Amino acid sequence: AQTVTQSQPEMSVQEAETVTLSCTYDTSENNYYLFWYKQPPSRQMILVIRQEAYKQQNATENRFSVNFQKAAKSFSLKISDSQLGDTAMYFCAFMSENAGNMLTFGGGTRLMVKP
Amino acid sequence: NAGVMQNPRHLVRRRGQEARLRCSPMKGHSHVYWYRQLPEEGLKFMVYLQKENIIDESGMPKERFSAEFPKEGPSILRIQQVVRGDSAAYFCASSLFAVGGNTIYFGEGSWLTVV
Repeated sequence: AQTVTQSQPEMSVQEAETVTLSCTYDTSENNYYLFWYKQPPSRQMILVIRQEAYKQQNATENRFSVNFQKAAKSFSLKISDSQLGDTAMYFCAFMSENAGNMLTFGGGTRLMVKP
Repeated sequence: NAGVMQNPRHLVRRRGQEARLRCSPMKGHSHVYWYRQLPEEGLKFMVYLQKENIIDESGMPKERFSAEFPKEGPSILRIQQVVRGDSAAYFCASSLFAVGGNTIYFGEGSWLTVV
């Protein structure tokens, strides 16, 4: 079974600065997908970014980028130019190629952006 | 184009009552997933359904919980004889395909409180 670990329960960052959220996972599979989801105070789950394991290039979506290290099984999220609206819980998630779209989530990191 | 619709958003039940949570997937989606989020935790997979079929219920508690996705109408997650430990947010998600890596769209969640 796959496991996803987020070792930082809480983090804070000043507005306009950069912050990196950590995620490690454990799997014996070679083909899989990794995701970061944001859960703001409204509690809705919002997809931030995704990465296919077969792609060596790190995914980027505007101010959000990932550092995917397949050998180390690490998938960190970098938020540049942090904004107050980035305040939320962030969840890292793993999806196997063969598990019918089932997501395994980490425990989350609570990010506070301070003005 | 409506997203995944869940209702009710908030539900309060007394211990021993039944809770029914409904989910209408995105238009055209025939794959539905239910996840549970306990307070201060990440989402945990419960069940994966296609129209009229349960595909994977490996995350569903063996007793009191059931799910269906009929040919017509929304998917229903049913919890019988609720207990305080059932208090959680229940998220429904849907996808167009079941192949690995397909984008999963989440609803806004249903918050069950058992008093």
